[in-house]
Amino acid sequence: AQSVTQLGSHVSVSEGALVLLRCNYSSSVPPYLFWYVQYPNQGLQLLLKYTTGATLVKGINGFEAEFKKSETSFHLTKPSAHMSDAAEYFCAVSRNQFYFGTGTSLTVIP
Amino acid sequence: GAGVSQSPRYKVAKRGQDVALRCDPISGHVSLFWYQQALGQGPEFLTYFQNEAQLDKSGLPSDRFFAERPEGSVSTLKIQRTQQEDSAVYLCASSLDGMAGELFFGEGSRLTVL
Repeated sequence: AQSVTQLGSHVSVSEGALVLLRCNYSSSVPPYLFWYVQYPNQGLQLLLKYTTGATLVKGINGFEAEFKKSETSFHLTKPSAHMSDAAEYFCAVSRNQFYFGTGTSLTVIP
Repeated sequence: GAGVSQSPRYKVAKRGQDVALRCDPISGHVSLFWYQQALGQGPEFLTYFQNEAQLDKSGLPSDRFFAERPEGSVSTLKIQRTQQEDSAVYLCASSLDGMAGELFFGEGSRLTVL
């Protein structure tokens, strides 16, 4: 069975500070990996995905994530937080099925 | 339409009523997924279609839940004899590339059971 764990249900950062949202997966075979963002009253939108190839993946709005097989991790980062980044972020894995983490709510403090 | 469309956006039902939630996926997307999202939680898988075939319904919480996609396009999630614990946002997503591709989500249908 596959699962995904997001450490920290709430993260607060100051505007301009580094954003780090953690995601670990459990799978005997490296799955496909995704980060989605959800703004209030909106559907989930894809930020970035890793399927094969380069392990550092760049997404929209300046976000990136690195697939580390040895650590079974796919943490999401952004060098400088912006107020508009405040949202709920979900890590997801897929192989035979899509599984989502429980989400991390990002607050950006002015 | 350009995106995944879900209706109704909001539904209030009395306990015991039946409800039907509709999903209109992106044209040409063969894969369609239904998820249930409780408040403060991540989406929980309900069921998956490849065209009109329901390939996985392991996430449906009880036999009160039923989904169909008869012509491989529009899908309907039906909940019979609704219970308070069914209150959640029901998300529909479609994909062109199955499990490796991007899921495109609708805005969801928020169900409140009184």
